[in-house]
Amino acid sequence: DARVTQTPRHKVTEMGQEVTMRCQPILGHNTVFWYRQTMMQGLELLAYFRNRAPLDDSGMPKDRFSAEMPDATLATLKIQPSEPRDSAVYFCASGASGANTGELFFGEGSRLTVL
Amino acid sequence: GENVEQHPSTLSVQEGDSAVIKCTYSDSASNYFPWYKQELGKGPQLIIDIRSNVGEKKDQRIAVTLNKTAKHFSLHITETQPEDSAVYFCAAGTGNQFYFGTGTSLTVIP
Repeated sequence: DARVTQTPRHKVTEMGQEVTMRCQPILGHNTVFWYRQTMMQGLELLAYFRNRAPLDDSGMPKDRFSAEMPDATLATLKIQPSEPRDSAVYFCASGASGANTGELFFGEGSRLTVL
Repeated sequence: GENVEQHPSTLSVQEGDSAVIKCTYSDSASNYFPWYKQELGKGPQLIIDIRSNVGEKKDQRIAVTLNKTAKHFSLHITETQPEDSAVYFCAAGTGNQFYFGTGTSLTVIP
């Protein structure tokens, strides 16, 4: 069945290390979102792509975070260097712009712990 | 940008009772208001949505109401069951792009 796939599901790393999270959106979806979830901030929008072009990354700390879509089947979120405050669950979601519903389909998340 | 506030942050109800979660938003341009349910260890999943040309929508035990004038919308769950226990998020925005509230942790006590 169609679903958004995220890897890794869990990542523990040390401060200063580079972290890359990957997302495979649902085939045919042309919008991709990255959200960060923490207890304190809830679900924060980090970046938004439509047809692989970045439309909004205003929620993303530019100095250490970067998001790309090398092709229609892969979205990446990179943190370099990572810091303890980046510990959170990162969700990728995809949708179809122009569809009758604005539904987003979420992956199961990548839980990041930075020590 | 859009600012969505959600209340309460936690809610406990007895099985069979109703649960109500309320949200307000700030941007009058928002025209799409989805509600997502997140179970433990999972990503959020859409349960119901409403557009600004509709004041109320119902799907079995779930209903949403929207008051565009007051910029608030609510989720109503009737005859709650233990499997309704989860975190619920409201959101407001346009098209695919919307902003989430901070979530309500609902516990249904058997």
